[in-house]
Amino acid sequence: GQNIDQPTEMTATEGAIVQINCTYQTSGFNGLFWYQQHAGEAPTFLSYNVLDGLEEKGRFSSFLSRSKGYSYLLLKELQMKDSASYLCAVRDSNYQLIWGAGTKLIIKP
Amino acid sequence: IAGITQAPTSQILAAGRRMTLRCTQDMRHNAMYWYRQDLGLGLRLIHYSNTAGTTGKGEVPDGYSVSRANTDDFPLTLASAVPSQTSVYFCASSPGLAGGPDTQYFGPGTRLTVL
Repeated sequence: GQNIDQPTEMTATEGAIVQINCTYQTSGFNGLFWYQQHAGEAPTFLSYNVLDGLEEKGRFSSFLSRSKGYSYLLLKELQMKDSASYLCAVRDSNYQLIWGAGTKLIIKP
Repeated sequence: IAGITQAPTSQILAAGRRMTLRCTQDMRHNAMYWYRQDLGLGLRLIHYSNTAGTTGKGEVPDGYSVSRANTDDFPLTLASAVPSQTSVYFCASSPGLAGGPDTQYFGPGTRLTVL
């Protein structure tokens, strides 16, 4: 079966750095996405990786290793507004997105 | 309209009733999707449409139907609602073009409770 694993919950301090990991086992790979979802709201797109390596976008970076079936989302200079769930999703061989259950990130002052 | 909209925002429904959730996008995206999101689970695909006039089944299609008469609208119908269909429903769309990320953009969601 297909599986996306990410931690259920993480806690970090305002101003710090946090890394959210995602491991996947899917039938085929056609890209990996990270989305942010605030409570009661829709998921919003953060980043996309299809080749190995690091993609940087402001305070957020995403890394991919296809050989290890592994990605992480790195958030720097954490702000209170970063408190949200972060969803990892992989596009499989059928070009459908398979979603992880999400990681709830709690930021403390 | 800007982006993708859904209606209603929330609904309480008696079991056995028929219900249609509406979704409209103004981005001229080819592809549209319906997901449900339940606590502790990832988003699960119900149905999708790669282009107007075509639809396909996702991971959890039973009890749901869709139609895609035009590019903009993609309604989801529950023919006879059951309590297990209590969930938050998200509609999404993507350009549907070959190559590139084909990023999905989500509507605000419909919170449905079936009693």
